[in-house]
Amino acid sequence: SQQGEEDPQALSIQEGENATMNCSYKTSINNLQWYRQNSGRGLVHLILIRSNEREKHSGRLRVTLDTSKKSSSLLITASRAADTASYFCATKSDNTDKLIFGTGTRLQVFP
Amino acid sequence: KAGVTQTPRYLIKTRGQQVTLSCSPISGHRSVSWYQQTPGQGLQFLFEYFSETQRNKGNFPGRFSGRQFSNSRSEMNVSTLELGDSALYLCASSRLAGDNEQFFGPGTRLTVL
Repeated sequence: SQQGEEDPQALSIQEGENATMNCSYKTSINNLQWYRQNSGRGLVHLILIRSNEREKHSGRLRVTLDTSKKSSSLLITASRAADTASYFCATKSDNTDKLIFGTGTRLQVFP
Repeated sequence: KAGVTQTPRYLIKTRGQQVTLSCSPISGHRSVSWYQQTPGQGLQFLFEYFSETQRNKGNFPGRFSGRQFSNSRSEMNVSTLELGDSALYLCASSRLAGDNEQFFGPGTRLTVL
């Protein structure tokens, strides 16, 4: 399967804590993106990091990319109950425009 | 600007039937991609259309087909439905083919009995 792996599969934390999700992928990439999905709904694009970047920030989100290990992490700081959702990484390689999604992490933030 | 819309939102069919799902992209977006999401297989790419032409195709049987109209609206069709086709079908649009950011619709939940 081309699909990337994410861990943990599920994560439960209290409001105010930080949440870290990891993504590993198999092929060389052009960029890696993170998406969020609220229960059974469409996905929302959060952030994109290019293969020549190592870290990127957007609000409370911090993404890192290690192309030598073919892995990325998404950190959500000071989490809120509204952050409860599934988070997916998706990769795009140089030779195809297809987005390959990871297996997702289900995040539950308790108030 | 209105988002991506998908119709119908929910659909129940029986094995052997066929189904057509519709997707209207964001105004001005010319690329439409389709994905299938199931608990077992996760999110899988079906196909992408741009300017009424299929640009990319995932690893799905020929029972899955699609098309795009001149106004960029897209339809996907699944013939001879199987139980395993039960899934959330998501459509995503982007301004141009291969754009990095895709905008997703709410999905069509298909249940095959």
